[in-house]
Amino acid sequence: DAGVTQSPTHLIKTRGQQVTLRCSPKSGHDTVSWYQQALGQGPQFIFQYYEEEERQRGNFPDRFSGHQFPNYSSELNVNALLLGDSALYLCASSLVGPSTEAFFGQGTRLTVV
Amino acid sequence: AQTVTQSQPEMSVQEAETVTLSCTYDTSESDYYLFWYKQPPSRQMILVIRQEAYKQQNATENRFSVNFQKAAKSFSLKISDSQLGDAAMYFCAYNAGNNRKLIWGLGTSLAVNP
Repeated sequence: DAGVTQSPTHLIKTRGQQVTLRCSPKSGHDTVSWYQQALGQGPQFIFQYYEEEERQRGNFPDRFSGHQFPNYSSELNVNALLLGDSALYLCASSLVGPSTEAFFGQGTRLTVV
Repeated sequence: AQTVTQSQPEMSVQEAETVTLSCTYDTSESDYYLFWYKQPPSRQMILVIRQEAYKQQNATENRFSVNFQKAAKSFSLKISDSQLGDAAMYFCAYNAGNNRKLIWGLGTSLAVNP
C-alpha cells in the first residue's frame, strides 16, 4: 500500500502565477482533504472533497480551488499566487463515515518568490 | 468556534524518561474526536493516538497514553521511555466527527536528549 502520495515535493513559483498540486489517496479511501501549513504553524483546513464534490471549505479565498477525479485523486489549484501562499500543503485521505482517521502525504513545499 | 491550544512551544526530555505534552480545546459539541499527530522532519503527519470523547477510558498505544479530562477540555499526551526517534513536532487536533475538518494547535517541538 503506497499510502497517500503527493506531487511535486517542492515547487518554486513567481508571484502572480498559478500552481496545481496533486494527491493520490490511500488505497480504498474516498475522501480527500487539503491543508495549508505555514512555517511554525499548525495546519489550516482548505477544503474537502468527496464524490467529486466539495463538501466543506475553510476560510480561504476563491483563488484556492480543487477537484476530485473518479479515481478519488485530487488536485489543489491556486491562482494569482501571493508571497503569503508560501507554505507546506498537506493532503489527507480518509473514508467517509464515523471513522475519522486521516492519513497524510508528505506534503508539497510551495515557495512563492 | 472550536479551538485547540498547545501552550508549550518547546519541550525537552532525557532519553528513557517520561514527558507530558499539554493540549486544551474549546467546543460546544458533545461528541467529537481528539488526536495527537507527530510531524518529523520528513514532514509527514503520523497519527500517534486518538480518543473518542464518548469513551471515558484514556487511550493507550504502547509508550504513548493520554489523559483526557472532558469536563476540563484537556487532552495531554504522555510519552514514556522516550526514544531519540520521538523527537519531532507534536500537534493536538480536534474533529467533530463524521469526517469533518481537523482543527489543529500550533504544535510542540519535542527534543530528546541522549
